[in-house]
Amino acid sequence: GQNIDQPTEMTATEGAIVQINCTYQTSGFNGLFWYQQHAGEAPTFLSYNVLDGLEEKGRFSSFLSRSKGYSYLLLKELQMKDSASYLCAVTTNAGKSTFGDGTTLTVKP
Amino acid sequence: NAGVTQTPKFRILKIGQSMTLQCTQDMNHNYMYWYRQDPGMGLKLIYYSVGAGITDKGEVPNGYNVSRSTTEDFPLRLELAAPSQTSVYFCASSYSRRDMTDTIYFGEGSWLTVV
Repeated sequence: GQNIDQPTEMTATEGAIVQINCTYQTSGFNGLFWYQQHAGEAPTFLSYNVLDGLEEKGRFSSFLSRSKGYSYLLLKELQMKDSASYLCAVTTNAGKSTFGDGTTLTVKP
Repeated sequence: NAGVTQTPKFRILKIGQSMTLQCTQDMNHNYMYWYRQDPGMGLKLIYYSVGAGITDKGEVPNGYNVSRSTTEDFPLRLELAAPSQTSVYFCASSYSRRDMTDTIYFGEGSWLTVV
């Protein structure tokens, strides 16, 4: 099966940088996704990594190390609207996509 | 742009009742998924399908059934509703191959309460 771990909660200050870590154990790895989910809404896509390294998209970056089973999501210049849950999801070449329990990020003024 | 559409958005069921959550996508995606999300928790995979006529169990399939007669539709059936099935249900779809997984697109969610 798959095992995905990420911190339950994090707090950061507006304008700061925060890094949300995700570790996973899986067989047949076929990619890792990060999703953002605001309360009462569906998850929305943030980033996708299938090869090792850093993917940058504006204020959001995601890093993957397949050998270590490790990824992180980096959020820069935090805004109040970034307060949300951030979900790490691993996909396999058998078609399964498994999500972690999510990290609830609170951005304070 | 419809994307993934699921209905109903809200439903209250009595214990033992049955119902079907409908899901349809218009993106010609081969993969479709049903997840449930309990308060403060992540998404748990109930069932998924890699194409029409093919379905497979996820992490928490007990108490549910699915079918995939067409590429577009992937309904989720609850046969005998139990309070433990009170949750938010998300249908999702993606285009995936063995060497590539595309973004998963989610429906807006269905809030189900069993009393």
